[in-house]
Amino acid sequence: GNSVTQMEGPVTLSEEAFLTINCTYTATGYPSLFWYVQYPGEGLQLLLKATKADDKGSNKGFEATYRKETTSFHLEKGSVQVSDSAVYFCALKGGKLIFGQGTELSVKP
Amino acid sequence: GAGVSQSPRYKVAKRGRDVALRCDSISGHVTLYWYRQTLGQGSEVLTYSQSDAQRDKSGRPSGRFSAERPERSVSTLKIQRTEQGDSAVYLCASIPSLRQGNTEAFFGQGTRLTVV
Repeated sequence: GNSVTQMEGPVTLSEEAFLTINCTYTATGYPSLFWYVQYPGEGLQLLLKATKADDKGSNKGFEATYRKETTSFHLEKGSVQVSDSAVYFCALKGGKLIFGQGTELSVKP
Repeated sequence: GAGVSQSPRYKVAKRGRDVALRCDSISGHVTLYWYRQTLGQGSEVLTYSQSDAQRDKSGRPSGRFSAERPERSVSTLKIQRTEQGDSAVYLCASIPSLRQGNTEAFFGQGTRLTVV
């Protein structure tokens, strides 16, 4: 069945550092891919999405490119801020919507 | 309101008791998921349902977990004979349409269940 695997956290970075959170997936067909974010005390919310190969999703300085050849959808940001501290979930929708295990990001000033 | 609402926000249950968690989804949304979220294990799909004008299809109940949808925008997750391992945050997600693909899911803030 479909599955999503994320790099384990927690990830701790200094402000303005470069961020990469790896996400790989296994799926039949052509799923849509998502990154959701959960800020402290809040619910999950959509950060960005991509619906087909080579699409790039972007929002709030975050980007992720749908790579079918490597079955990956890594999340990147060039310069993180303290306010980016949250848990990030990679997700796939090809039938059911399923999530990776989440990666906690902590950004220190 | 315009968002997904879950109640209660916090629930403490004695081991072995049954609990019911409520989700008010967004009016007009078709698909509703229940997830269990635990640190380090991510969000596990418990059940999902799709409803349209003719019928209500529910995901296969998984053992002690079942969901009912008494109204199109309301779902109740029932956990029978709770175990300590059921302690987690339970999330409800609402999706507008039956379309596969890029439809965004809207989440409630979750119910934190603690089984003692």
